[in-house]
Amino acid sequence: SAVISQKPSRDICQRGTSLTIQCQVDSQVTMMFWYRQQPGQSLTLIATANQGSEATYESGFVIDKFPISRPNLTFSTLTVSNMSPEDSSIYLCSVENGLDRELFFGEGSRLTVL
Amino acid sequence: GENVEQHPSTLSVQEGDSAVIKCTYSDSASNYFPWYKQELGKRPQLIIDIRSNVGEKKDQRIAVTLNKTAKHFSLHITETQPEDSAVYFCAASSPGGYQKVTFGIGTKLQVIP
Repeated sequence: SAVISQKPSRDICQRGTSLTIQCQVDSQVTMMFWYRQQPGQSLTLIATANQGSEATYESGFVIDKFPISRPNLTFSTLTVSNMSPEDSSIYLCSVENGLDRELFFGEGSRLTVL
Repeated sequence: GENVEQHPSTLSVQEGDSAVIKCTYSDSASNYFPWYKQELGKRPQLIIDIRSNVGEKKDQRIAVTLNKTAKHFSLHITETQPEDSAVYFCAASSPGGYQKVTFGIGTKLQVIP
């Protein structure tokens, strides 16, 4: 299993500002995934982050809005830029157990944009 | 891309009864179907999964069935207990360079004591 730490766990942000979420894994992993979970909704993949290359974004998500860094095999950041109330959501970092394909999730970062 | 539909969105059962959640998927190439349980305020956690070469899998009170022809799979929970109350997500994943997992919308299960 993988232990994933995310911070901040929650934050209240002003419209137009940006916030960076950090994700730390206790083991080296090839890929890290960033999901968004809007209130009462499902998990939607934002992007996949590989170390040493640009993140791969899913349809509807763009790098200018959600820039991602992946400086090494245990760490990634997701920035939510120029926030609006529609960005209020839980953002989850995830990694895969390569052998079994199980996803492990961080606790999530709950963002509220006023 | 893959599309996963899940129903019902909410489900209430009496303690001790069974609960069934159903999902369909669209991509015939999908070959891995996990189920995640998310308790209130917690992270999603895998409870059971099934691969496309298997029709059924059981783990104590939980079972999952897969019908590849019809492209649907189901979660069965028997002898439900209050601690089974949570949101359950089905998901589908297709083979490739990385695992893109598409989740269903979730089913909020309430087990009434």
